[in-house]
Amino acid sequence: DSGVTQTPKHLITATGQRVTLRCSPRSGDLSVYWYQQSLDQGLQFLIHYYNGEERAKGNILERFSAQQFPDLHSELNLSSLELGDSALYFCASNDGMSYNEQFFGPGTRLTVL
Amino acid sequence: TQLLEQSPQFLSIQEGENLTVYCNSSSVFSSLQWYRQEPGEGPVLLVTVVTGGEVKKLKRLTFQFGDARKDSSLHITAAQPGDTGLYLCAGGDAGKSTFGDGTTLTVKP
Repeated sequence: DSGVTQTPKHLITATGQRVTLRCSPRSGDLSVYWYQQSLDQGLQFLIHYYNGEERAKGNILERFSAQQFPDLHSELNLSSLELGDSALYFCASNDGMSYNEQFFGPGTRLTVL
Repeated sequence: TQLLEQSPQFLSIQEGENLTVYCNSSSVFSSLQWYRQEPGEGPVLLVTVVTGGEVKKLKRLTFQFGDARKDSSLHITAAQPGDTGLYLCAGGDAGKSTFGDGTTLTVKP
């Protein structure tokens, strides 16, 4: 158990809908990272927050947004969902200083029908 | 864009054999991590290498960082079925993380 929690574990929705994925980092960690993992594209970095502020952006679509709250939990919002958004979404956390070592949550499996 | 290429993509061996997987980049990374991931679960951190030429051992696993900090290798001695999984390397720079596509290892009993 990494100490990172993600909810929900599974999510099934329809095209065009909007969903919110939630992540609580390990106790004491200030950084949260979001990733998308699909079968054909591997683990893709989406976005990184540190202590409430956006630190870096990866290949995140404009339909996706994220934020980190004062209690350090983070949410990833996915809107106007398409079939191709079906994937595993992971968040990871670290203290923001430890050589990029990251601790991953169990993931949310999103299925768009 | 920093890219990490991992090889081989797939590897299937018998229990007791040795193996090496590789992670290569044209970019220099300040640090490089290796993770192991099982189906449907999040990656689990195995090791971080920081210094060029560094070698780290974790039981039967040996990790090496290239002198120029652009490449790394993972060597497993006497592989066991429990070593089966997806091995990912990752490099970090300026708050971003880049992951390789991984090597899927299957160890048959």
